Amino acid sequence: ETGVTQTPRHLVMGMTNKKSLKCEQHLGHNAMYWYKQSAKKPLELMFVYSLEERVENNSVPSRFSPECPNSSHLFLHLHTLQPEDSALYLCASSQGYSRANQPQHFGDGTRLSIL
Amino acid sequence: ILNVEQSPQSLHVQEGDSTNFTCSFPSSNFYALHWYRWETAKSPEALFVMTLNGDEKKKGRISATLNTKEGYSYLYIKGSQPEDSATYLCAFTPSSNTGKLIFGQGTTLQVKP
Repeated sequence: ETGVTQTPRHLVMGMTNKKSLKCEQHLGHNAMYWYKQSAKKPLELMFVYSLEERVENNSVPSRFSPECPNSSHLFLHLHTLQPEDSALYLCASSQGYSRANQPQHFGDGTRLSIL
Repeated sequence: ILNVEQSPQSLHVQEGDSTNFTCSFPSSNFYALHWYRWETAKSPEALFVMTLNGDEKKKGRISATLNTKEGYSYLYIKGSQPEDSATYLCAFTPSSNTGKLIFGQGTTLQVKP
């Protein structure tokens, strides 16, 4: 089983739909992250959870709502998205928040398209 | 604003060529520098994490150096192979927020057989 698993791999939704992205890590890590990659832009941090508490919210619009029910699972709930939200959404985990001398482990991402 | 710049944006080399690319980051407020390799349709894979000025790390044919005083890191690939084709990302962590990675746009390497 891979370390960080994201589902679905691809998602097409209308602007009025509600959907969720799921991330699961099997590495025993304490920190989990959501990143967004838009075309021709660097990976952009959205949210960080450490021990199930949100520690970073990078000025992300409220139409994105994260949830971390336990240290192995992370969700990103999507509601009333805009076409500019079409992007690749990556989940990552690491041993601990504030331990940047340790690498982050990434999932394969969810490719989201908003119609 | 903390910016991370990578150059070149893309690179095409022949199999067997050695190549290198650069990551520039703020020299003040430094905590760590990460390199990741990202193949198409796969997840980014950690190559190196470096924290000390003068650090050199090696993994097979790939190596990296770090100069925190002047704010740059080099990634070297010796004898490039087609399987090295990928986007190479660097990410900087400032000491003011050691939980954060600030990514560059990446260097996309294409190795022709």
